Amino acid sequence: EIVLTQSPATLSVSPGERATLSCRASQSVAYNLAWYQQKPGQAPRLLISGVSARATGVPARFSGSGSGTEFTLTISSLQSEDFAIYYCQQYHNWPPLTFGGGTKVEIK
Amino acid sequence: QVQLQESGPGLVKPSETLSLTCTVSGGSINSYYWSWIRQPPGKGLEWIGFVHHSGSTNYNPPLKSRVIASIDTSRNQFSLNLRSVTAADTAVYYCARVTSSSYWHFDLWGRGTLVTVSS
Repeated sequence: EIVLTQSPATLSVSPGERATLSCRASQSVAYNLAWYQQKPGQAPRLLISGVSARATGVPARFSGSGSGTEFTLTISSLQSEDFAIYYCQQYHNWPPLTFGGGTKVEIK
Repeated sequence: QVQLQESGPGLVKPSETLSLTCTVSGGSINSYYWSWIRQPPGKGLEWIGFVHHSGSTNYNPPLKSRVIASIDTSRNQFSLNLRSVTAADTAVYYCARVTSSSYWHFDLWGRGTLVTVSS
């Protein structure tokens, strides 16, 4: 099973600042990595797939990068609606499909 | 647009079977893979398994012995049965659509339903 480790667990950021979230895989997942955003009481929402391809309707301030075992989700200028929990997910080697433990982005 | 809606009991007794249904509206259930994912309160996401309109399935190995996913294309619904539940199975259960057979991520989700396992 591929284990995804997200860091930090919690990220405190002021509105307008840049946020950088990390996802590390226990073995290579090539470019088969997605990111989701989850707000309280809501289902996750697909943000990015294939490491860097934004899903329909996702603002350009969200960007993804990386390959192999190290990946980054960057939010260039945090808006109030971006405070949420973010999960990475690999779909390179499965079953099982696996998710990271999440990073909570909170208001500083 | 396509929407997913989970339905089923919110309370299940230990050792019994958890049964949920996901109704797909606004589009056809054909040509996609459909998945179940769960999230224990305050915790992360766990993939349970998927079912295809052809009836093929694949499950998360630790759950494989207890899970059956099925599909009813005539009703545009797919279902989850998880037997011999314990308190550890308490979670919000989501149904979701797999983006494609080449890209196994989830582009459409239901709102989720909380299932509590308790006597």
